[in-house]
Order: sequence, then C-alpha cells, then structure tokens
Amino acid sequence: GAVVSQHPSRVICKSGTSVKIECRSLDFQATTMFWYRQFPKQSLMLMATSNEGSKATYEQGVEKDKFLINHASLTLSTLTVTSAHPEDSSFYICSARDPMGPYSNQPQHFGDGTRLSIL
Amino acid sequence: DQQVKQNSPSLSVQEGRISILNCDYTNSMFDYFLWYKKYPAEGPTFLISISSIKDKNEDGRFTVFLNKSAKHLSLHIVPSQPGDSAVYFCAASGTRGDFNKFYFGSGTKLNVKP
Repeated sequence: GAVVSQHPSRVICKSGTSVKIECRSLDFQATTMFWYRQFPKQSLMLMATSNEGSKATYEQGVEKDKFLINHASLTLSTLTVTSAHPEDSSFYICSARDPMGPYSNQPQHFGDGTRLSIL
Repeated sequence: DQQVKQNSPSLSVQEGRISILNCDYTNSMFDYFLWYKKYPAEGPTFLISISSIKDKNEDGRFTVFLNKSAKHLSLHIVPSQPGDSAVYFCAASGTRGDFNKFYFGSGTKLNVKP
C-alpha cells in the first residue's frame, strides 16, 4: 500500500491563484521530504528539500518566495505555489525517506503526484 | 545540466524476451543508483538499487549492472512480462553532503507486447 500520500491529485485554477499541495508520510515519520517537478518527457527535477522544524533547502534556480514549503510535523510537508501563472503548470511530486526502513541506504517513497494546470 | 541521462525514451519488447534499459551519468561522485518504475497516474515505486562497491545486483527477474568506468548502468528484465509495461527511471545519489538528493533520468517507457 501507499506509504506517502499526496493531495490533491489534480488542480485546475486561474492565473494568480495560490495552490497548496500536501504530502503525508503514512507509516513512518519523515524528518526529510523532497519536492520534485516534472515537465513532459523530462526527468524529475528536485526543487527543494523539506526539513521538519527548519527552513527548506532550495535547489539552484528555484524561487523560494514562489514555492513556499512548510514541514510543520514529522508526517506532513506542504508546497504552496504562490500567485501561480501558466508557466507553473507542471507535475509536482513529493517523496519521503523512511529512516527506519530495511535498507541501509534508504530509497525514497513517492506520492502519486499533483497535476497542476494554470489557465 | 542533466547529470543522469536515459537516452532511449521508449523500448518495445516481446513477452518472454529480455528488456534492457540503459542509463548514463556524468558525476563521478555518485555512489548509489536506483531504478524506479512508474505507472500512469501513480508515483514512482522503488524497484532495485546498487551501491558503487558492486557491479551487479539481482532480485528475481530484475538485475542491475553498474559499469563505473563507463559511468553506465543498465536494468535487465528477464523474462519480460506485459505487467512490466511502465516508465522506468534511473536515479543516482552521492553520500558526500547530498546523500538525500536523488538525480533522475528522464525515463524510458517500456512496452512489453503479449
């Protein structure tokens, strides 16, 4: 079963709207979660690393004021796309690493993604 | 600048035959590699991984090969089954300072024909 839940799966909204996407770890506590963005036929691009109780770490070229990340608890991280515009339309996906999992080098568990369409 | 590349966007294989998916990387600091499988409308799911201290890791029908000198890894699926049809992503990470960062290729869509 899914170990990371992402909501909503699909958002269609007008330009200028702010959109919040939630990412929850279901069976474990995740001190670190990750947010990715994927354009069609391109790879998953890491946007930022979300750290529980502290500021997110953003990748180069990602506007932190545009993509607000809040990791307020060990099971929830949120990504808010502020004042979204059509160029923000993309597939956003989160992941979390289970620190107590069976692997010494933990693979990440992914949510099912959010398809964001800005009109 | 993409550090992990999958140059074949698609691959079609007959059921029962071998599927070989390829991946190249540029960063010699990567020392952990993974393959993820993704069905439409779902998130990627972990398939198999390999550490740089190995050159082969096998799990059932799935085998990952790593050639460090060539900065190349491949995923072999044998025998291929129609249920294997999905998009396969390879990913890489390093343990020096960015252990948690995974860099993904653009994916290869595998179609296994019955």
